[in-house]
Amino acid sequence: DAKTTQPTSMDCAEGRAANLPCNHSTISGNEYVYWYRQIHSQGPQYIIHGLKNNETNEMASLIITEDRKSSTLILPHATLRDTAVYYCIVLGASSGSRLTFGEGTQLTVNP
Amino acid sequence: GAVVSQHPSRVICKSGTSVKIECRSLDFQATTMFWYRQFPKKSLMLMATSNEGSKATYEQGVEKDKFLINHASLTLSTLTVTSAHPEDSSFYICSARAGGLAGNTIYFGEGSWLTVV
Repeated sequence: DAKTTQPTSMDCAEGRAANLPCNHSTISGNEYVYWYRQIHSQGPQYIIHGLKNNETNEMASLIITEDRKSSTLILPHATLRDTAVYYCIVLGASSGSRLTFGEGTQLTVNP
Repeated sequence: GAVVSQHPSRVICKSGTSVKIECRSLDFQATTMFWYRQFPKKSLMLMATSNEGSKATYEQGVEKDKFLINHASLTLSTLTVTSAHPEDSSFYICSARAGGLAGNTIYFGEGSWLTVV
């Protein structure tokens, strides 16, 4: 699976949009981009995933560039409870469901 | 939505004893589940792939005789830490995909904290 690069940490003001970038320049055509987050002492929480098109659900939006080499997770109105480590993971069919976690981005939402 | 549940959420055991952690898919069948461990302030590390009806596949460096995995049904996988040692104290997490296709969602359990004293 393609490797991903994320900033180590980011800060965001409560109520503002949080935009978390992820670089996956070696992504293959059949590989999906998954986003998870982990709040301290809990299992990872699924946020969203996509292949080519932008996706939106009740939690977030996923914007994937046309060349698919990068993506951005958008939390439209960040709250204090969104403070967590956010993981961007690329997963292809050949890996089954074996998600490989990098270090992720520590997002801190400030009051 | 699909849910993966783990039990117990926290367990304390004595050195030398064995402890079992269960991972259940609550509203879907999972032929494959995955076990991870996580040390404080570190990322998740994949330990093994649990295959229903067959042997588990272990990642390099993970002792299969120490971390016994059983996947006896399509909704249950268990991880048994044998002859537990204080260094085995960690956060153990399982995951499963809801459906067999590459684009299906992969869910994680709530995690199980193991403390070996």
